[in-house]
Amino acid sequence: GDSVTQMEGPVTLSEEAFLTINCTYTATGYPSLFWYVQYPGEGLQLLLKATKADDKGSNKGFEATYRKETTSFHLEKGSVQVSDSAVYFCALISGGYNKLIFGAGTRLAVHP
Amino acid sequence: GAVVSQHPSRVICKSGTSVKIECRSLDFQATTMFWYRQFPKQSLMLMATSNEGSKATYEQGVEKDKFLINHASLTLSTLTVTSAHPEDSSFYICSASPQGDGKAFFGQGTRLTVV
Repeated sequence: GDSVTQMEGPVTLSEEAFLTINCTYTATGYPSLFWYVQYPGEGLQLLLKATKADDKGSNKGFEATYRKETTSFHLEKGSVQVSDSAVYFCALISGGYNKLIFGAGTRLAVHP
Repeated sequence: GAVVSQHPSRVICKSGTSVKIECRSLDFQATTMFWYRQFPKQSLMLMATSNEGSKATYEQGVEKDKFLINHASLTLSTLTVTSAHPEDSSFYICSASPQGDGKAFFGQGTRLTVV
């Protein structure tokens, strides 16, 4: 079945460091890919998405490119802030159904 | 953006009792809603797909008689945890998508503690 694999956390960075969180997927067909973020004490929020190969999703300085050849959707940010500390979930939807399949989540901690 | 409201946000119940959690789409109609469970420091696990006017579709390993789902209207789905036990303590989250494009909106979640 469809699945998402994320790099294990926690990821601990200093402010202004470069961030990469790896995400790879397995799916039949051509899935849509998403990154969701969960800030401490809050619910899930959509961070960015890409619906076809080579699309780049971006939001709040975060970017991820849909790479069909490597079945990846890695999340990047050039300069993280303390306020970016959260849990990040990679997810996909395949087929005509809005059933999200999530990765295990990666906790990011950014220190001043 | 679209709003999904979940109630209650926290509930504590005694073992053996049942708890109902509501998920409402406030400004759109949702023929399908999803219920997830999140274990501490782990990912969201899809439990079931709630279909308006028909039976829910449960994921493998999720007990249908334990987690009763009712999607009686286009704006409301309920999850009832029956005969709750401490191992049912978890964070339950619902989601719905107004346009079918995968932009799912999530409820605030319900923290269930069974004592």
